[in-house]
Amino acid sequence: QVHLVQSGAEVKKPESSVKVSCKASADSFSTFAFNWVRQAPGHGLEWMGGIIPVFDKPIYAQNFQGRVTITADKSTNTAYMELSSLKSDDTAVYFCARGPPLLPPRYFQHWGQGTLVTVS
Amino acid sequence: SVLTQPPSVSAAPGQKVTIACSGGYSNMGTNSVSWYQQVPGTAPKLLIYDNNKRPSGIPDRFSGSKSDTSATLAIAGLQTGDEADYYCGTWDNVLRAGVFGGGTELTVL
Repeated sequence: QVHLVQSGAEVKKPESSVKVSCKASADSFSTFAFNWVRQAPGHGLEWMGGIIPVFDKPIYAQNFQGRVTITADKSTNTAYMELSSLKSDDTAVYFCARGPPLLPPRYFQHWGQGTLVTVS
Repeated sequence: SVLTQPPSVSAAPGQKVTIACSGGYSNMGTNSVSWYQQVPGTAPKLLIYDNNKRPSGIPDRFSGSKSDTSATLAIAGLQTGDEADYYCGTWDNVLRAGVFGGGTELTVL
């Protein structure tokens, strides 16, 4: 049984940064791909990037290049997504999603509960 | 959105509905497609991966197919609990990004 538990909701000022965590149940954490997908209110899904902890070489969508940093801590089975220079249209629910041990990702099998980030 | 889906579909309980997803050569033409079900306010749930495979626990009422740059999700024996938003997704080799359709809202009348 795979569980992904994300950190709580955040309210941030424009131009600040936010860091969201995603703690995974101990189940070969290091070898799976952890991705981040966001969903603005009333909108669809948008892939931001992903990482396979054992390789520690994240890939990012061009839309977020330079603003997003994805990391993974193998000692605590936790993946992180940090987004900087926040703008109002970064207000969204941010999901972590685990897929097979592949990057680029092929699909997202397990999802966290989502973290609402409000920029205001 | 890079992938195109109809905004909404509807059908009666017990009926079958199909949801189309169309893209281009750089995405669906060369990569496999997955489908997700999302009840508003909750996280998406994987329904179909690698075009037509179901994860454990997904009933066989849900099926997927792909041909060239188009894919289809079919849901048979509709239930009121199937009301949700459905998204297709794949990888785009030119954008070098995961891409999704805009989502299709399913109403079970």
